[in-house]
Amino acid sequence: EVQLVESGGGLVKPGGSLRLSCAASGFTFSSYGMNWVRQAPGKGLEWVSSISSSSSYIYYADSVKGRFTISRDNAKNSLYLQMNSLRAEDTAVYYCARDLVWRMDVWGKGTTVTVSS
Amino acid sequence: QSALTQPASVSGSPGQSITISCTGTSSDVGGYNYVSWYQQHPGKAPKLMIYDVSKRPSGVSNRFSGSKSGNTASLTISGLQAEDEADYYCSSYTSSRTLVFGGGTKLTVL
Repeated sequence: EVQLVESGGGLVKPGGSLRLSCAASGFTFSSYGMNWVRQAPGKGLEWVSSISSSSSYIYYADSVKGRFTISRDNAKNSLYLQMNSLRAEDTAVYYCARDLVWRMDVWGKGTTVTVSS
Repeated sequence: QSALTQPASVSGSPGQSITISCTGTSSDVGGYNYVSWYQQHPGKAPKLMIYDVSKRPSGVSNRFSGSKSGNTASLTISGLQAEDEADYYCSSYTSSRTLVFGGGTKLTVL
């Protein structure tokens, strides 16, 4: 079964850091680009970042550029999102999703990040 | 990058057809055929329903169809069913090599 499982969410103070992980299974992880997408409480979807299969191409939304870093370890079938200088507006459910040329065909269930003092 | 524009809500009765619009610019929707639509039920992850403007992934009902004219893409659901009640989001690749979502549309089946 193709599956993505996010972890690493939690409560963090403004200015703090958090590292999200996404474990992939059931498909050849190294052959696919991956994305992080977030959804603030009661709000819509917001694309956060993308990384190509070999990490050659990385893109970020303006809202997180310079603060978040996407990375992957194909040997461990894992995707990561290092989040620094967190703000209240970063509070959201964070989803990892498999990429197929700018469409996301497999999604995890998400992990919740809350930024609050 | 501004979000694509979708109506906040649409509604229809079972068996009817509805259309949800998604308006962008020539730098996103109008410039590329990388428009996708996602369905999201409350508390669940999004599900891909349409990609590349009008293609359906395997397993998605043929009651769902997509199209595009200029800077506006559309999702049409025919033969509305109760289980179609959900939030729907469009997305598009952009000239900045990023992805942008619409604000979302809540579909109510009356």
